Amino acid sequence: NAGVMQNPRHLVRRRGQEARLRCSPMKGHSHVYWYRQLPEEGLKFMVYLQKENIIDESGMPKERFSAEFPKEGPSILRIQQVVRGDSAAYFCASSPALGATNEKLFFGSGTQLSVL
Amino acid sequence: QKEVEQNSGPLSVPEGAIASLNCTYSDRGSQSFFWYRQYSGKSPELIMSIYSNGDKEDGRFTAQLNKASQYVSLLIRDSQPSDSATYLCAVITMEYGNKLVFGAGTILRVKS
Repeated sequence: NAGVMQNPRHLVRRRGQEARLRCSPMKGHSHVYWYRQLPEEGLKFMVYLQKENIIDESGMPKERFSAEFPKEGPSILRIQQVVRGDSAAYFCASSPALGATNEKLFFGSGTQLSVL
Repeated sequence: QKEVEQNSGPLSVPEGAIASLNCTYSDRGSQSFFWYRQYSGKSPELIMSIYSNGDKEDGRFTAQLNKASQYVSLLIRDSQPSDSATYLCAVITMEYGNKLVFGAGTILRVKS
């Protein structure tokens, strides 16, 4: 959905560098989700954030990965000291409400991270 | 058992036929179910949502939900080559927190 903006579209990093992926939710949406998709696989949940608050980070690797959604500005998924196994498509999605039974997620175009 | 399971396919159907895609889920308390379509190299696109038992129709798409059997399906009538994509089943599960969990997807190929 064009309303969820992710950048960059493609990101190339060398092993050991840091990767920063940005996501601006749709207008009026206060909840952001990050998913990772490896080739030929489904989307794996990573983290669920509300502004200034991490709701659920059960899918985040314990080391090197962090996420934030500040009061102002986009949500950031940060990967420190990248390794080749981090190469994947990272999708951000947003929704307007927490726990609504008719909650729907709309996805951004994704960031393709390639680690050399 | 995986939280959301789909047959990976590929499912091949001739143009004009009905494509039937199936999905099972493990969390009996789930209330919200979705089908997303994903073209290669693109982001998932929401095509159907269903919340109560029975059928829900939208154009050529029909979603079917059976909570007793923990089963949700998607039927695509009059399949077109442009329907060729990966179809992802997704469920909002309460079991591991309130989040959307995806199946691995079923590849659909519609042959003209």
